[in-house]
Order: sequence, then C-alpha cells, then structure tokens
Amino acid sequence: NAGVTQTPKFRVLKTGQSMTLLCAQDMNHEYMYWYRQDPGMGLRLIHYSVGEGTTAKGEVPDGYNVSRLKKQNFLLGLESAAPSQTSVYFCASGWQGDQPQHFGDGTRLSIL
Amino acid sequence: GENVEQHPSTLSVQEGDSAVIKCTYSDSASNYFPWYKQELGKRPQLIIDIRSNVGEKKDQRIAVTLNKTAKHFSLHITETQPEDSAVYFCAASHGFQKLVFGTGTRLLVSP
Repeated sequence: NAGVTQTPKFRVLKTGQSMTLLCAQDMNHEYMYWYRQDPGMGLRLIHYSVGEGTTAKGEVPDGYNVSRLKKQNFLLGLESAAPSQTSVYFCASGWQGDQPQHFGDGTRLSIL
Repeated sequence: GENVEQHPSTLSVQEGDSAVIKCTYSDSASNYFPWYKQELGKRPQLIIDIRSNVGEKKDQRIAVTLNKTAKHFSLHITETQPEDSAVYFCAASHGFQKLVFGTGTRLLVSP
C-alpha cells in the first residue's frame, strides 16, 4: 500500500500564482487533513474533512481552499500565492478523530 | 475546543539518559492520546498511543503515562540513543473530534 501520497514534492511559485496540492490515500479513511509546518514550528491545521463532500476550517485557513470530491482525494488550493505561504505542507488521513493519523511525505513550497 | 500544551520546547540529554516530555489537555472528554516522532526533513510518524481506559503503555524503550484527573500525559524514553534525536509531538482527541497537536519538543541526544 502506498498510504498517503502527496503531489508534488517540491514547487516554486511566484507571488500571485495559483496552484493545487493533491493528497491521495488508499486506506479508505474518512478523515483527511492539511497542515503547514514552518521552520522550527509545530503543525498548524489549515483545513480538514470528515468525509467525502465535507470540508471544515482549521487554525489557519485564510488564503487556502480545499475540496473533497472523492473520498480518497483531498485537494489544497492557493488562489493567489503569497511569500507568507512558503512552508512545508503535510497531508494526513485517519478513520476518525480518535484514531491514528497517517502522514504523507510533505510538499515543500517556496513562493518568491 | 481542545487545547494541548507541551513542555519543554527543547530537551538536551546525554546518550543513555532518560527523557520525559509532558503534555496537558483541556477537554476532559478526550480519550485518545498519540505521540508522533518527526525526524529532520521527514514526515511525523506515530510511535505510541494510549487511550483513557489505560494508565500506562510501554513499547521497548518508550512509555506513555496518562493522568486523567490532572489531564496530563507524558512520554518517557529510557536509555536514549542519538537516533532518538527528533521533534516529538503529543496530541489529544475524542470520538469524531479532530486530533489537536501540541507545539512539539525538540529532543537532542548527545553521544
């Protein structure tokens, strides 16, 4: 099993450009999450989903949008990238809140 | 909502010493408490978890203890090794609520 796969692994954008990060899981998990992690800092929840077709805001949702059209996929969109969004983005999935989360390998995003 | 505080933010020990990381949580309904280890440049990975019906759980050199009355739980690493150097995160949740993470502890084990 691949587990949680994030695409792409690295990306450099210019300010104002848009892009979509893809997260795919093959474990049939209901819950999926997007986090950002800045140097020396913890995991900050951006958005999450508790099932297909649902999304909810996390701790730092501004500047991001998400969609969960299919159970196995969770997309994170940046409509107009800003340098403050330079970070490492992790996707995770789990059966529900009180079950282990499985993380992807991360996407390293730099915005110039 | 749930709030998880984690201490210390950094911890330096000598190889062979024990290390203890502590977390407190605010929601008395929380019943699931995992610990994640994140090595430099890698993804967080679950190393041990405990549920509220258990007071202590061990797995080789690592153990987690839970005090529901005081609403705190701790990670204990014995006989530390250089490969234990990493950032450790605690977390808490219950039922269908999302997992809430602590801010992380950077553990450095010196040879």
